[in-house]
Amino acid sequence: SAVISQKPSRDICQRGTSLTIQCQVDSQVTMMFWYRQQPGQSLTLIATANQGSEATYESGFVIDKFPISRPNLTFSTLTVSNMSPEDSSIYLCSALGGARDTQYFGPGTRLTVL
Amino acid sequence: AQSVTQLGSHVSVSEGALVLLRCNYSSSVPPYLFWYVQYPNQGLQLLLKYTTGATLVKGINGFEAEFKKSETSFHLTKPSAHMSDAAEYFCAVSTSNFGNEKLTFGTGTRLTIIP
Repeated sequence: SAVISQKPSRDICQRGTSLTIQCQVDSQVTMMFWYRQQPGQSLTLIATANQGSEATYESGFVIDKFPISRPNLTFSTLTVSNMSPEDSSIYLCSALGGARDTQYFGPGTRLTVL
Repeated sequence: AQSVTQLGSHVSVSEGALVLLRCNYSSSVPPYLFWYVQYPNQGLQLLLKYTTGATLVKGINGFEAEFKKSETSFHLTKPSAHMSDAAEYFCAVSTSNFGNEKLTFGTGTRLTIIP
Protein backbone atom coordinates (compact mmCIF):
# COMPACT_ATOMS: atom_id res chain seq x y z
CA SER A 1 0.00 0.00 0.00
CA ALA A 2 0.97 3.65 -0.38
CA VAL A 3 1.22 6.09 2.50
CA ILE A 4 -0.04 9.54 1.57
CA SER A 5 0.36 12.82 3.39
CA GLN A 6 -1.32 16.14 2.71
CA LYS A 7 -0.53 19.68 3.74
CA PRO A 8 -2.18 21.65 5.20
CA SER A 9 -4.54 19.46 7.18
CA ARG A 10 -6.98 22.32 7.51
CA ASP A 11 -7.24 26.01 6.71
CA ILE A 12 -9.62 28.91 7.00
CA CYS A 13 -9.43 31.30 4.08
CA GLN A 14 -11.01 34.52 2.96
CA ARG A 15 -13.25 34.82 -0.04
CA GLY A 16 -11.36 35.64 -3.25
CA THR A 17 -8.04 34.15 -2.18
CA SER A 18 -6.36 30.92 -3.35
CA LEU A 19 -5.02 27.93 -1.46
CA THR A 20 -2.56 25.31 -2.67
CA ILE A 21 -2.79 21.82 -1.18
CA GLN A 22 0.17 19.49 -1.35
CA CYS A 23 0.06 15.70 -1.63
CA GLN A 24 3.09 13.50 -1.08
CA VAL A 25 3.23 9.72 -1.62
CA ASP A 26 5.90 7.56 -0.02
CA SER A 27 6.55 5.58 -3.21
CA GLN A 28 6.31 6.02 -6.94
CA VAL A 29 2.76 5.52 -8.17
CA THR A 30 1.20 5.39 -11.59
CA MET A 31 -1.83 7.56 -11.04
CA MET A 32 -2.88 10.26 -8.60
CA PHE A 33 -6.34 11.76 -8.16
CA TRP A 34 -8.00 14.68 -6.41
CA TYR A 35 -11.46 14.41 -4.83
CA ARG A 36 -13.79 16.85 -3.14
CA GLN A 37 -16.10 15.93 -0.28
CA GLN A 38 -18.63 18.64 0.44
CA PRO A 39 -20.18 18.76 3.90
CA GLY A 40 -22.31 15.68 4.53
CA GLN A 41 -21.72 14.39 1.00
CA SER A 42 -19.87 11.60 -0.71
CA LEU A 43 -16.66 12.00 -2.69
CA THR A 44 -16.60 13.52 -6.14
CA LEU A 45 -13.61 13.16 -8.45
CA ILE A 46 -12.17 16.51 -9.49
CA ALA A 47 -9.38 15.34 -11.78
CA THR A 48 -6.66 12.85 -12.53
CA ALA A 49 -3.22 14.35 -11.99
CA ASN A 50 -0.97 13.36 -14.88
CA GLN A 51 2.77 13.35 -14.43
CA GLY A 52 4.41 15.92 -16.66
CA SER A 53 1.24 16.96 -18.49
CA GLU A 54 -2.07 18.70 -17.93
CA ALA A 55 -4.55 17.10 -15.55
CA THR A 56 -7.69 15.41 -16.83
CA TYR A 57 -10.74 17.12 -15.36
CA GLU A 58 -14.16 15.64 -14.70
CA SER A 59 -17.33 17.29 -15.86
CA GLY A 60 -18.07 20.38 -13.83
CA PHE A 61 -14.46 21.08 -12.88
CA VAL A 62 -12.14 23.40 -14.82
CA ILE A 63 -8.44 24.12 -14.82
CA ASP A 64 -8.85 27.82 -14.10
CA LYS A 65 -10.62 27.06 -10.84
CA PHE A 66 -8.63 23.97 -9.81
CA PRO A 67 -5.16 24.06 -11.35
CA ILE A 68 -3.22 20.86 -10.66
CA SER A 69 0.43 20.05 -10.98
CA ARG A 70 2.28 16.76 -10.81
CA PRO A 71 5.97 17.32 -11.43
CA ASN A 72 7.05 13.78 -10.55
CA LEU A 73 5.68 10.34 -9.61
CA THR A 74 5.30 11.04 -5.89
CA PHE A 75 4.02 14.62 -5.58
CA SER A 76 1.04 16.67 -6.69
CA THR A 77 -0.61 19.96 -5.82
CA LEU A 78 -4.18 21.19 -6.13
CA THR A 79 -4.94 24.90 -6.02
CA VAL A 80 -8.41 26.15 -5.20
CA SER A 81 -8.56 29.56 -6.87
CA ASN A 82 -10.67 32.63 -6.21
CA MET A 83 -12.43 30.86 -3.37
CA SER A 84 -16.03 31.33 -2.32
CA PRO A 85 -17.89 29.80 0.65
CA GLU A 86 -19.20 27.09 -1.72
CA ASP A 87 -15.64 25.78 -1.95
CA SER A 88 -15.71 24.82 1.73
CA SER A 89 -15.05 21.08 1.59
CA ILE A 90 -12.60 18.36 2.39
CA TYR A 91 -10.13 17.85 -0.44
CA LEU A 92 -8.56 14.42 -0.67
CA CYS A 93 -5.66 13.15 -2.67
CA SER A 94 -5.41 9.50 -3.66
CA ALA A 95 -2.90 7.30 -5.42
CA LEU A 96 -3.29 4.10 -7.36
CA GLY A 97 -1.19 1.29 -5.90
CA GLY A 98 1.36 -0.72 -7.84
CA ALA A 99 -1.11 -3.39 -8.95
CA ARG A 100 -3.30 -0.64 -10.43
CA ASP A 101 -6.36 -2.01 -8.64
CA THR A 102 -6.63 -0.06 -5.39
CA GLN A 103 -6.65 3.63 -4.51
CA TYR A 104 -5.20 4.77 -1.22
CA PHE A 105 -6.23 8.08 0.26
CA GLY A 106 -4.53 10.85 2.14
CA PRO A 107 -5.99 12.25 5.36
CA GLY A 108 -7.64 15.15 3.55
CA THR A 109 -7.49 18.93 3.80
CA ARG A 110 -10.45 20.56 5.49
CA LEU A 111 -11.03 23.96 3.90
CA THR A 112 -13.36 26.61 5.24
CA VAL A 113 -13.96 29.74 3.21
CA LEU A 114 -15.41 32.78 4.97
CA ALA B 1 -20.42 3.82 -17.12
CA GLN B 2 -20.54 2.66 -13.54
CA SER B 3 -22.56 3.58 -10.47
CA VAL B 4 -23.08 2.58 -6.87
CA THR B 5 -26.21 2.62 -4.72
CA GLN B 6 -26.01 2.38 -0.96
CA LEU B 7 -29.33 1.63 0.66
CA GLY B 8 -29.79 3.46 3.93
CA SER B 9 -27.95 6.68 4.63
CA HIS B 10 -28.12 5.94 8.36
CA VAL B 11 -27.98 2.55 10.06
CA SER B 12 -28.14 1.97 13.82
CA VAL B 13 -27.32 -1.32 15.49
CA SER B 14 -26.83 -2.37 19.06
CA GLU B 15 -23.38 -3.23 20.32
CA GLY B 16 -22.82 -6.94 19.70
CA ALA B 17 -25.45 -7.15 16.96
CA LEU B 18 -24.94 -7.97 13.30
CA VAL B 19 -23.87 -5.13 11.04
CA LEU B 20 -25.20 -5.20 7.47
CA LEU B 21 -24.53 -2.32 5.08
CA ARG B 22 -25.95 -2.70 1.60
CA CYS B 23 -24.29 -1.84 -1.70
CA ASN B 24 -25.45 -2.48 -5.23
CA TYR B 25 -23.43 -1.56 -8.28
CA SER B 26 -23.82 -1.12 -11.98
CA SER B 27 -20.96 -1.68 -14.38
CA SER B 28 -20.71 -2.55 -18.05
CA VAL B 29 -17.45 -4.44 -17.46
CA PRO B 30 -16.26 -6.68 -14.64
CA PRO B 31 -16.00 -4.43 -11.60
CA TYR B 32 -13.51 -3.88 -8.87
CA LEU B 33 -15.43 -3.23 -5.64
CA PHE B 34 -14.31 -1.52 -2.46
CA TRP B 35 -15.50 -0.55 0.97
CA TYR B 36 -13.84 2.41 2.61
CA VAL B 37 -14.42 3.71 6.14
CA GLN B 38 -14.15 7.31 7.27
CA TYR B 39 -13.89 8.06 10.96
CA PRO B 40 -14.82 11.55 12.15
CA ASN B 41 -12.43 14.21 10.90
CA GLN B 42 -10.24 11.68 9.13
CA GLY B 43 -9.52 10.55 5.58
CA LEU B 44 -10.64 7.31 3.95
CA GLN B 45 -9.26 3.97 5.02
CA LEU B 46 -9.59 0.86 2.87
CA LEU B 47 -11.65 -1.81 4.64
CA LEU B 48 -11.62 -4.49 1.96
CA LYS B 49 -11.74 -5.02 -1.76
CA TYR B 50 -12.81 -7.47 -4.43
CA THR B 51 -10.87 -7.58 -7.67
CA THR B 52 -10.76 -11.19 -8.83
CA GLY B 53 -10.87 -14.67 -7.30
CA ALA B 54 -12.74 -15.59 -4.16
CA THR B 55 -16.05 -13.78 -3.93
CA LEU B 56 -16.07 -13.64 -0.13
CA VAL B 57 -13.45 -11.18 0.98
CA LYS B 58 -12.30 -10.42 4.47
CA GLY B 59 -11.05 -7.07 5.59
CA ILE B 60 -9.78 -5.29 8.63
CA ASN B 61 -11.59 -5.02 11.95
CA GLY B 62 -13.63 -8.20 11.38
CA PHE B 63 -15.56 -6.95 8.35
CA GLU B 64 -16.25 -9.03 5.29
CA ALA B 65 -18.20 -8.66 2.05
CA GLU B 66 -19.44 -11.02 -0.63
CA PHE B 67 -19.46 -10.22 -4.33
CA LYS B 68 -22.67 -11.57 -5.87
CA LYS B 69 -22.64 -11.04 -9.60
CA SER B 70 -26.20 -12.31 -10.12
CA GLU B 71 -27.49 -9.74 -7.63
CA THR B 72 -24.95 -7.01 -8.54
CA SER B 73 -24.32 -6.62 -4.84
CA PHE B 74 -21.38 -6.23 -2.49
CA HIS B 75 -22.89 -5.98 0.99
CA LEU B 76 -20.66 -5.39 4.00
CA THR B 77 -21.15 -7.41 7.18
CA LYS B 78 -19.69 -7.85 10.62
CA PRO B 79 -21.04 -10.48 13.03
CA SER B 80 -20.77 -8.39 16.18
CA ALA B 81 -20.72 -4.59 16.26
CA HIS B 82 -18.30 -2.72 18.44
CA MET B 83 -18.55 0.87 19.59
CA SER B 84 -15.41 1.68 17.60
CA ASP B 85 -17.23 0.75 14.37
CA ALA B 86 -19.20 4.00 14.45
CA ALA B 87 -18.18 5.80 11.26
CA GLU B 88 -19.20 6.61 7.70
CA TYR B 89 -18.87 3.74 5.22
CA PHE B 90 -18.51 4.20 1.48
CA CYS B 91 -18.91 1.58 -1.21
CA ALA B 92 -17.05 2.28 -4.45
CA VAL B 93 -16.57 0.70 -7.87
CA SER B 94 -13.88 0.92 -10.50
CA THR B 95 -12.83 -1.33 -13.35
CA SER B 96 -9.77 -3.11 -14.58
CA ASN B 97 -9.87 -1.24 -17.86
CA PHE B 98 -6.57 0.51 -18.39
CA GLY B 99 -7.13 4.23 -18.14
CA ASN B 100 -10.45 3.81 -16.35
CA GLU B 101 -9.26 3.18 -12.83
CA LYS B 102 -11.15 6.10 -11.33
CA LEU B 103 -13.48 5.33 -8.46
CA THR B 104 -17.18 6.03 -8.35
CA PHE B 105 -18.50 6.30 -4.80
CA GLY B 106 -21.87 5.64 -3.26
CA THR B 107 -23.50 8.28 -1.10
CA GLY B 108 -22.28 6.67 2.11
CA THR B 109 -23.90 5.05 5.14
CA ARG B 110 -23.43 6.45 8.60
CA LEU B 111 -23.24 3.63 11.13
CA THR B 112 -24.26 4.35 14.71
CA ILE B 113 -23.67 1.82 17.47
CA ILE B 114 -26.12 1.81 20.36
CA PRO B 115 -24.58 0.86 23.73
